[in-house]
Amino acid sequence: QKEVEQNSGPLSVPEGAIASLNCTYSDRVSQSFFWYRQYSGKSPELIMSIYSNGDKEDGRFTAQLNKASQYVSLLIRDSQPSDSATYLCAVNTGGFKTIFGAGTRLFVKA
Amino acid sequence: DVKVTQSSRYLVKRTGEKVFLECVQDMDHENMFWYRQDPGLGLRLIYFSYDVKMKEKGDIPEGYSVSREKKERFSLILESASTNQTSMYLCASSPGGGETQYFGPGTRLLVL
Repeated sequence: QKEVEQNSGPLSVPEGAIASLNCTYSDRVSQSFFWYRQYSGKSPELIMSIYSNGDKEDGRFTAQLNKASQYVSLLIRDSQPSDSATYLCAVNTGGFKTIFGAGTRLFVKA
Repeated sequence: DVKVTQSSRYLVKRTGEKVFLECVQDMDHENMFWYRQDPGLGLRLIYFSYDVKMKEKGDIPEGYSVSREKKERFSLILESASTNQTSMYLCASSPGGGETQYFGPGTRLLVL
């Protein structure tokens, strides 16, 4: 069974701090990696995608991928209360199916 | 902007009823998906479709069927609703395999 594992949280950080969200996956042939944000009662929306080893930055968000360690992370700099949400890690192995983690709840304290 | 719409935001049905959930996307995407989301279990794939009239079972297809007669529309059918099908149902579409999925707003279904 291919798996994507995340710490369920909640992860609590003060406003302005860096939030670090982590994800591990079991299938070594995974090729595409995604981070989605889901506010309570809403549907997931894409924050970032990453396809190769290293870092990818977009504004306050940085995705990091390490295929050798089968590890992907999301850093949120200067965290804001509006970042409080559940963050879903998703992994695709090259086919049609994408496996989603159960999500990490982030709480940013004002 | 990609837009994925679902026919209902909230739905209440009785056990044994046949339930239809519809999803429409406006970006000419090849792939469409149906998930259910339950607390602590994350998103679980029910069915997906990679072309008109084509469908593949996901991880939890039992008790569900799907229909894709037109490229933009993907329907989920609960043949005989049961209480354990109470859940949030999310539709998504993507342009190709391994690409970003775009989600609809979700349908919260309660089966009594």
